[in-house]
Amino acid sequence: DTAVSQTPKYLVTQMGNDKSIKCEQNLGHDTMYWYKQDSKKFLKIMFSYNNKELIINETVPNRFSPKSPDKAHLNLHINSLELGDSAVYFCASSQDVTGGENHNEQFFGPGTRLTVL
Amino acid sequence: GEDVEQSLFLSVREGDSSVINCTYTDSSSTYLYWYKQEPGAGLQLLTYIFSNMDMKQDQRLTVLLNKKDKHLSLRIADTQTGDSAIYFCAESPLYKLSFGAGTTVTVRA
Repeated sequence: DTAVSQTPKYLVTQMGNDKSIKCEQNLGHDTMYWYKQDSKKFLKIMFSYNNKELIINETVPNRFSPKSPDKAHLNLHINSLELGDSAVYFCASSQDVTGGENHNEQFFGPGTRLTVL
Repeated sequence: GEDVEQSLFLSVREGDSSVINCTYTDSSSTYLYWYKQEPGAGLQLLTYIFSNMDMKQDQRLTVLLNKKDKHLSLRIADTQTGDSAIYFCAESPLYKLSFGAGTTVTVRA
């Protein structure tokens, strides 16, 4: 069984459109994340959620709106897509929050490749 | 990322050792990580080290940590073709992982 799954795997759309990417984890984890990987493979945190509550928003434009209907799901909705949004978006989860004195392994989904034309 | 730096490329002959170096800035990171990304896939955790340790060995993998210089390295012994991938170093400030830009390792026969 896939631990962290994302849909769709590929998404091609026109500038200005609104799209969503879904993420589900079946690991029973409390914390979920969205990362963006650009064309140079640079990977950067976008959002962190713990128990459905937002704990990190890394200066992401407000066109991006994450939604966590329950602890197993963290979806990413993007309004008014721009060319610069083209990237691979990774969802991840961990048992509890990562960082500081906590080691909680993050498990990554397979990624969603978004191409904005 | 700007806080974690790695060299971008490494080419190694099959059977040789690979060494990937990383420098980080966040002194609050109690754990430091190495992740591996194969083509078209997500990241998977390779290994990690507690910041009070100098070295950790896990089969073919050896992690060295110099906390004073904030320098981390990953050595892969007897590198195989299946080791060709991008390797990311990561520090762990609160609530997230901060990744380096990744080192693309190419294993040649």
